[in-house]
Amino acid sequence: GAVVSQHPSWVICKSGTSVKIECRSLDFQATTMFWYRQFPKQSLMLMATSNEGSKATYEQGVEKDKFLINHASLTLSTLTVTSAHPEDSSFYICSAGTGTTYEQYFGPGTRLTVT
Amino acid sequence: AQSVAQPEDQVNVAEGNPLTVKCTYSVSGNPYLFWYVQYPNRGLQFLLKYITGDNLVKGSYGFEAEFNKSQTSFHLKKPSALVSDSALYFCAVRDILTGGGNKLTFGTGTQLKVEL
Repeated sequence: GAVVSQHPSWVICKSGTSVKIECRSLDFQATTMFWYRQFPKQSLMLMATSNEGSKATYEQGVEKDKFLINHASLTLSTLTVTSAHPEDSSFYICSAGTGTTYEQYFGPGTRLTVT
Repeated sequence: AQSVAQPEDQVNVAEGNPLTVKCTYSVSGNPYLFWYVQYPNRGLQFLLKYITGDNLVKGSYGFEAEFNKSQTSFHLKKPSALVSDSALYFCAVRDILTGGGNKLTFGTGTQLKVEL
């Protein structure tokens, strides 16, 4: 149980285009979803927290207009990187929490490369 | 504010030997503590957690961790390391007092390398 999927697993896009990453909780309802960014050999940096049906809460320094987060249902959250640039290239990981347990369940991650 | 420190960037151990990956934390109230493992180009896999109760927590794949409140530590241990344990390990904390909205703070990670 508690499986989280991400799609796509990797994506290459051209500079200036937008990319959407999906995060789904497959066998449970996720009241809260989190989006992280991870640079090579570094820790996870929380970008934003989203609760179903409400606006995401962004961490300090994260541009909300650039990283659009939508949590339209209890099983799906999306992260859209708008007008992507090479510096946005990174490993993006989502996680989901149920609100009744203490842990977060992580997706497998999405490798974004902007050329 | 909550924080986590993993003082070792890398830990090397021979297969069959015991391993320890260190973690210390700082929170305002009582902590929820977690260990996760990450294999290359993969997401994080949950190993174990401490919420309350027994200070020695047993988790997946033979790992365990001991919560030490006086030393504010939560070191990850395994009695006998396997080559397949080689991966990146993250300690994380959630502050019960402030809630943090389920927000986890991660350490910088420790690369474990188990050699034959």
